[in-house]
Amino acid sequence: KQEVTQIPAALSVPEGENLVLNCSFTDSAIYNLQWFRQDPGKGLTSLLLIQSSQREQTSGRLNASLDKSSGRSTLYIAASQPGDSATYLCAVNKGAQKLVFGQGTRLTINP
Amino acid sequence: DAGVIQSPRHEVTEMGQEVTLRCKPISGHDYLFWYRQTMMRGLELLIYFNNNVPIDDSGMPEDRFSAKMPNASFSTLKIQPSEPRDSAVYFCASSPGGQGYEQYFGPGTRLTVT
Repeated sequence: KQEVTQIPAALSVPEGENLVLNCSFTDSAIYNLQWFRQDPGKGLTSLLLIQSSQREQTSGRLNASLDKSSGRSTLYIAASQPGDSATYLCAVNKGAQKLVFGQGTRLTINP
Repeated sequence: DAGVIQSPRHEVTEMGQEVTLRCKPISGHDYLFWYRQTMMRGLELLIYFNNNVPIDDSGMPEDRFSAKMPNASFSTLKIQPSEPRDSAVYFCASSPGGQGYEQYFGPGTRLTVT
């Protein structure tokens, strides 16, 4: 059974810092991995999708990496801003479009 | 593009009542998913459809839960009878299809069963 773990559960950093969020999964047989952002009381917003054949994807200040063999992905946020405060979720696609989610990392950026 | 639309946004009902949640996927998306989010269990896939056909309902917790997709632009998730432990946020998502595509989520319906 695929299990997805995100550490830490919560993170608080001052504005302007670069930071890394971690995601690990137990079964390396995945099709892709998706990072989402969830604001309180809102739905999920897709940030980045990494296919299993890719090593990383970039969008603006965000960079996601994928190491399938070790079962790990990281989301790097550069020059963090208070508006980045949210819960970040990673999800692995284990096939047939079925996403398995981690519990998320609640990020707070302090002005 | 209006995105995935869900209604109602909030629902409060009493135990034993029937609850129907509604979803309109993004036009042209062939896949539709229903998820449930709770503090204890996080986000879980309940069921998904491809071209209006249910493909995998292994995540549906009990027979009290049922989902339909009568056409490409509408889906419902019904709980009958509802119980307090069904209280959660229910999300609908859609995808253009295929393994390499992102899933796009609606704003969710917050269900409270008293």
